[in-house]
Amino acid sequence: AQTVTQSQPEMSVQEAETVTLSCTYDTSESNYYLFWYKQPPSRQMILVIRQEAYKQQNATENRFSVNFQKAAKSFSLKISDSQLGDTAMYFCACTEGAGNMLTFGGGTRLMVKP
Amino acid sequence: EAGVTQSPTHLIKTRGQQATLRCSPISGHTSVYWYQQALGLGLQFLLWYDEGEERNRGNFPPRFSGRQFPNYSSELNVNALELEDSALYLCASSPGTLTDTQYFGPGTRLTVL
Repeated sequence: AQTVTQSQPEMSVQEAETVTLSCTYDTSESNYYLFWYKQPPSRQMILVIRQEAYKQQNATENRFSVNFQKAAKSFSLKISDSQLGDTAMYFCACTEGAGNMLTFGGGTRLMVKP
Repeated sequence: EAGVTQSPTHLIKTRGQQATLRCSPISGHTSVYWYQQALGLGLQFLLWYDEGEERNRGNFPPRFSGRQFPNYSSELNVNALELEDSALYLCASSPGTLTDTQYFGPGTRLTVL
């Protein structure tokens, strides 16, 4: 069975600093996609960034970037210039199967402190 | 562009009752996914509908069922509710099976007493 592991249940960072959230995954799929979603207290799951596994180049989206290490099955998220609005649960996810169903990690609760 | 919408926001039922949750996908999206986010169990895939058909289901009992309507909206039904069904139920949509990104709605909080 496919698994996604986030080893950091909670993290905190000072406003304007940089933080990295870790994620490892295990899949037998040859073609898959990886995502980071953010879930603030409002519960809405918001897409942060996506990575196509067949692309070696790491995805970036403004202050958010990933370090994708395919051989190591590692997919970490770096948040630069952290803002108070970045406070949320962050979930790493990997697609599985023809329908691209998502397998999620357990989440990392990130607190940005003023 | 309107996002994925879900109703109701909150739902309170008693054990043994039936619950119906509704989801409207983003306009133009044909695939709808349902996920359960239960305390201590994380986010788990429940059901996938595309073009009106159930395409896949996760490791959930048959009392979890649903359907997709011609306008691509979807309904999740949970029969014979149990206490452990209390969770946030998230709906997501995507433009089709060949596209990878799912966009989520705000969820329905189901509480079973």
